[in-house]
Amino acid sequence: EAGVTQSPTHLIKTRGQQATLRCSPISGHTSVYWYQQALGLGLQFLLWYDEGEERNRGNFPPRFSGRQFPNYSSELNVNALELEDSALYLCASSLWTSRYEQYFGPGTRLTVT
Amino acid sequence: KQEVTQIPAALSVPEGENLVLNCSFTDSAIYNLQWFRQDPGKGLTSLLLIQSSQREQTSGRLNASLDKSSGRSTLYIAASQPGDSATYLCAVLDSGAGSYQLTFGKGTKLSVIP
Repeated sequence: EAGVTQSPTHLIKTRGQQATLRCSPISGHTSVYWYQQALGLGLQFLLWYDEGEERNRGNFPPRFSGRQFPNYSSELNVNALELEDSALYLCASSLWTSRYEQYFGPGTRLTVT
Repeated sequence: KQEVTQIPAALSVPEGENLVLNCSFTDSAIYNLQWFRQDPGKGLTSLLLIQSSQREQTSGRLNASLDKSSGRSTLYIAASQPGDSATYLCAVLDSGAGSYQLTFGKGTKLSVIP
């Protein structure tokens, strides 16, 4: 069974630009979660999507947004990039009936210069 | 607001030694607690998941315990090997308000010296 996949592996952007990160959940999983791991800050919850809707949001500004597609894959968009957005962005997925167990992808490393 | 603390932040041990990593959390209303391993620049590998009703879980050389009432968990690694070198993260899933968001500690960076 394929795990959670994320693309791209690395992304380099300039301050002020927009970044789009993608995540494909494990087959059969309907929930997708996004986390940010910035240097020195640890892993922080960003967003939770399920059945195409945003269910919960962490303490991040509105320029962090996303969506979930009918096939349950998800995009994370970061607008007006700032230097401090440089981080590893991890996506996780879970079954709706088993939301307490999340499976993580390998991450996308975003570097803002 | 849930807070998770891991002590120590870094640990260096000689190969073969048994070791304990500590995790504490402030709100005992959790669904579960999970230990992850993270290699540099990589994603997370789940090691052990303990449900709130359980006291411990074991997998190979790893044993994790949970004392929900005191807000503590430990990860015991037996007979450490250089391949165990990584950062170990503790995370709790809160049971309140249906949030299903994991709260992570900042991790313990383990180095096992050959």
